Amino acid sequence: AQRVTQPEKLLSVFKGAPVELKCNYSYSGSPELFWYVQYSRQRLQLLLRHISRESIKGFTADLNKGETSFHLKKPFAQEEDSAMYYCALSGHNQGGKLIFGQGTELSVKP
Amino acid sequence: DTGVSQDPRHKITKRGQNVTFRCDPISEHNRLYWYRQTLGQGPEFLTYFQNEAQLEKSRLLSDRFSAERPKGSFSTLEIQRTEQGDSAMYLCASSLDRDRQQFFGPGTRLTVL
Repeated sequence: AQRVTQPEKLLSVFKGAPVELKCNYSYSGSPELFWYVQYSRQRLQLLLRHISRESIKGFTADLNKGETSFHLKKPFAQEEDSAMYYCALSGHNQGGKLIFGQGTELSVKP
Repeated sequence: DTGVSQDPRHKITKRGQNVTFRCDPISEHNRLYWYRQTLGQGPEFLTYFQNEAQLEKSRLLSDRFSAERPKGSFSTLEIQRTEQGDSAMYLCASSLDRDRQQFFGPGTRLTVL
């Protein structure tokens, strides 16, 4: 079965602290992994995808096929990072449809 | 073009009524996706179109649900005989092709009383 699991519903950190949002997936094959972010009162938007290997807004994510994980990391959290974060996968030959995790709310306190 | 738009943004209806939502994708995007999101959950895939062809429907899409994309432009999602369990945020997204980034609309929030 295809599944994305985000074990933490809420993650609260102080400004300047490191952040790691966990994502594990289940998929028989090599999926494409994504992180989407939704800031307050804004629409869902792509943060990063594993194939681009980019660092966006200081966030990085490494695909670990052995552990089937795609954790999102940032060394120093900022208050403006507070948002809902969703991990998602897209499988081959599946038309690009996304399978999302339940989401993790990140709260960065001053 | 300011992105994917959805109309209405909010809809309150009584159980048993029919509702229709509209999604306007970004111009020239040939793929259009519908997702549903309930409180505390991530979006769940419902269906998608490539141009005017509906290529996949999730088992979540019961026969009370129907989606169309005439002429490969805007899309409509209709729910017949609404039930309280249909209350959710309905999201639309579009992309240039399957390997490109999906851009999401603001969603239509449906409340069934």
